[in-house]
Amino acid sequence: DAGVIQSPRHEVTEMGQEVTLRCKPISGHDYLFWYRQTMMRGLELLIYFNNNVPIDDSGMPEDRFSAKMPNASFSTLKIQPSEPRDSAVYFCASSLSQTNEKLFFGSGTQLSVL
Amino acid sequence: ILNVEQSPQSLHVQEGDSTNFTCSFPSSNFYALHWYRWETAKSPEALFVMTLNGDEKKKGRISATLNTKEGYSYLYIKGSQPEDSATYLCAFSGGSNYKLTFGKGTLLTVNP
Repeated sequence: DAGVIQSPRHEVTEMGQEVTLRCKPISGHDYLFWYRQTMMRGLELLIYFNNNVPIDDSGMPEDRFSAKMPNASFSTLKIQPSEPRDSAVYFCASSLSQTNEKLFFGSGTQLSVL
Repeated sequence: ILNVEQSPQSLHVQEGDSTNFTCSFPSSNFYALHWYRWETAKSPEALFVMTLNGDEKKKGRISATLNTKEGYSYLYIKGSQPEDSATYLCAFSGGSNYKLTFGKGTLLTVNP
């Protein structure tokens, strides 16, 4: 398996633009997680899915953020409109269970909003 | 909000030194404790997942222990090598929702 695949690796955009981040989890993993990494707050969980269904989105900062998982092999995280404070590294991870199996992380998307 | 604290924040050691760092977490409603290694410009990779009080896990020169009653885990590196330089993250699962909460990590630098 190629592991968790994220795209793009880097995204530079202007304030107000829509940004879409993409993730392909490891085949057979039932759980998919979106995390955001910042210097101030470390790795924060934004939302996670179980069998394509969003289970907990309490970490999503505000209504500008949305996430979907239309099938077992694809998820998107969308920010509309983007703001400079959204600049961070966004990681997608997948695992066999919610908590007692290790997470496999993608390579992350470095987002810069100017 | 679950507090997962890691100490120290950063650590410099010489090649060949043994070292250890700490992860503290809430001692109630424990479910699992994870350790990850995160090298610069890469993504975090899992080292250990521990679920039982008294668990000890080992992978090469790296080992970890778990005390769920007092809410701490130690990560040990024996004979540090420059390639061990990385940020070591712990993550706790428990409380009312079992979500995995990460600490901010310990940045280890091993000087040759």
